Amino acid sequence: TQLLEQSPQFLSIQEGENLTVYCNSSSVFSSLQWYRQEPGEGPVLLVTVVTGGEVKKLKRLTFQFGDARKDSSLHITAAQPGDTGLYLCAGASGYSTLTFGKGTMLLVSP
Amino acid sequence: SAVISQKPSRDICQRGTSLTIQCQVDSQVTMMFWYRQQPGQSLTLIATANQGSEATYESGFVIDKFPISRPNLTFSTLTVSNMSPEDSSIYLCSVVGETQYFGPGTRLLVL
Repeated sequence: TQLLEQSPQFLSIQEGENLTVYCNSSSVFSSLQWYRQEPGEGPVLLVTVVTGGEVKKLKRLTFQFGDARKDSSLHITAAQPGDTGLYLCAGASGYSTLTFGKGTMLLVSP
Repeated sequence: SAVISQKPSRDICQRGTSLTIQCQVDSQVTMMFWYRQQPGQSLTLIATANQGSEATYESGFVIDKFPISRPNLTFSTLTVSNMSPEDSSIYLCSVVGETQYFGPGTRLLVL
């Protein structure tokens, strides 16, 4: 069974601070996706990383896929209240369905 | 992109009753997926619903407990049968297009 461990589980910060969320596994994934889920909504895809060592930037969000394709990180610079939500990582392996982590709940206070 | 709607958005149910959740997609899709999102837990795939055939259930989920219908390429239902408090969860419908899209979820509380 493939497992994805996310840390921290919960993060409460002030507006303007930086933060990093981690997603780790002992399994290799062909790709890894990051989602954000806001209250009352379903998860929305932010990015997909495919190549080991790949770095993708989405405005203030930087996503990195580990060289061995077993882990990933999400770094947010100068967090804003609008960044508040549940951040989920999900790994894909071949034709199997996605494996989701438990998520990191981020709260950014003004 | 795909726009997915779910009904109901939330419900409070009594133990032993059943609830049917509807999922409507604005485009035709071959496969629709049903997930469960329990508090503090990861999204867990319940089953894959294919039009014109029986749904495929993941380990730990059975048709008697979670019967699924897929009458056409834009609609599916998931029934949570003989509910217990352990079934309290968010149930999400999902489809795959350019990427994976999720509905807004149905929040179920079983008393």
